[in-house]
Amino acid sequence: DADVTQTPRNRITKTGKRIMLECSQTKGHDRMYWYRQDPGLGLRLIYYSFDVKDINKGEISDGYSVSRQAQAKFSLSLESAIPNQTALYFCATSDREVGQGGGHSPLHFGNGTRLTVT
Amino acid sequence: QKEVEQDPGPLSVPEGAIVSLNCTYSNSAFQYFMWYRQYSRKGPELLMYTYSSGNKEDGRFTAQVDKSSKYISLFIRDSQPSDSATYLCAIPLFSGGYNKLIFGAGTRLAVHP
Repeated sequence: DADVTQTPRNRITKTGKRIMLECSQTKGHDRMYWYRQDPGLGLRLIYYSFDVKDINKGEISDGYSVSRQAQAKFSLSLESAIPNQTALYFCATSDREVGQGGGHSPLHFGNGTRLTVT
Repeated sequence: QKEVEQDPGPLSVPEGAIVSLNCTYSNSAFQYFMWYRQYSRKGPELLMYTYSSGNKEDGRFTAQVDKSSKYISLFIRDSQPSDSATYLCAIPLFSGGYNKLIFGAGTRLAVHP
């Protein structure tokens, strides 16, 4: 069973529609992240949350919002979808800050949601 | 200039070849360097990480850091078709009060039998 589960796996929607992408995790991690992946641009951080009451914008948060419903659940919403939001979206978790101290806490990714906005 | 640059490829090699994947970075203060591997239709997973300069070996994989040139490499020896994936370099950047991972664009590798 996947430790980080994203739903749906694929979604096609029309311009202007509101949609929600959901992420749940069984790893018990406090930190959760939303990334988008575009060809040639790599992974870019949309939002991150260090616990239920701590939510922060990443580098490309415009047009997106998030909700941390519980430690295990973190959802991403597109209030009014536009075609340039067509991308692969990944949720990730970590148990501590990346690159912290003498080691590295890896990000654990879900298998992504492929979103197409027409 | 991007903080991390990576040639997206694609790179196609025969089985058994030695593969070299590379990234350059702009900030000489970076200390940790990671490689993530992403199979098709899957999320990335951590493959290796190194701290500061030098080499780190794990089986057929070797991660190398040259801080003087701001250049990081991942070598794959005796490449196998199962190594076909996208490889992303990643570096933590301290910004806004915490470390966030900056990813390269990823290099798509295909190893053909």
